[in-house]
Amino acid sequence: SQQGEEDPQALSIQEGENATMNCSYKTSINNLQWYRQNSGRGLVHLILIRSNEREKHSGRLRVTLDTSKKSSSLLITASRAADTASYFCATVDYGQNFVFGPGTRLSVLP
Amino acid sequence: KAGVTQTPRYLIKTRGQQVTLSCSPISGHRSVSWYQQTPGQGLQFLFEYFSETQRNKGNFPGRFSGRQFSNSRSEMNVSTLELGDSALYLCASSLEARETQYFGPGTRLLVL
Repeated sequence: SQQGEEDPQALSIQEGENATMNCSYKTSINNLQWYRQNSGRGLVHLILIRSNEREKHSGRLRVTLDTSKKSSSLLITASRAADTASYFCATVDYGQNFVFGPGTRLSVLP
Repeated sequence: KAGVTQTPRYLIKTRGQQVTLSCSPISGHRSVSWYQQTPGQGLQFLFEYFSETQRNKGNFPGRFSGRQFSNSRSEMNVSTLELGDSALYLCASSLEARETQYFGPGTRLLVL
């Protein structure tokens, strides 16, 4: 079964609104990463948060990690049409296994 | 630095044929990973190479194989192609397997 599971599967919001995506996982991790993929293209790394960190920011992105609940969230503030993409969380365990979740499809409407 | 490049970008093959895909990592990156992406199964890990050695392998049949050369360039080969092998094949490179991965644009393979 998938290590990371994103929620929701799809999200549609208006430009300027905030978008929140969640990721749950099952086993101990070394770090958790978020990636973006625009329609059938390669993935772009957004942010990496380590298991001993609770929150990280990068521009309009805010990621939290709760290792006790085995969950992470990605918040995109003041969304833009260009943020329309699929977002994936990837968990990395201590065996260097990189496992991606099924992704959240975000649509930002102008 | 130049990004990760993959060739070819598109490929059409027929069942039973074999295919070789190529990936050139970012200069200095020694870890190269391969993934298969399909609408039904999502992103699935194929294998990871580091300094010419396969360090990790996903749950794929032996028809899927790969190798890495001394300059870190990597190839993956799929023999006896099946319709279900139609997918986007993504290559990613990194300094270390656990760290940020930089993806190429992918090779879209269609098996007829």
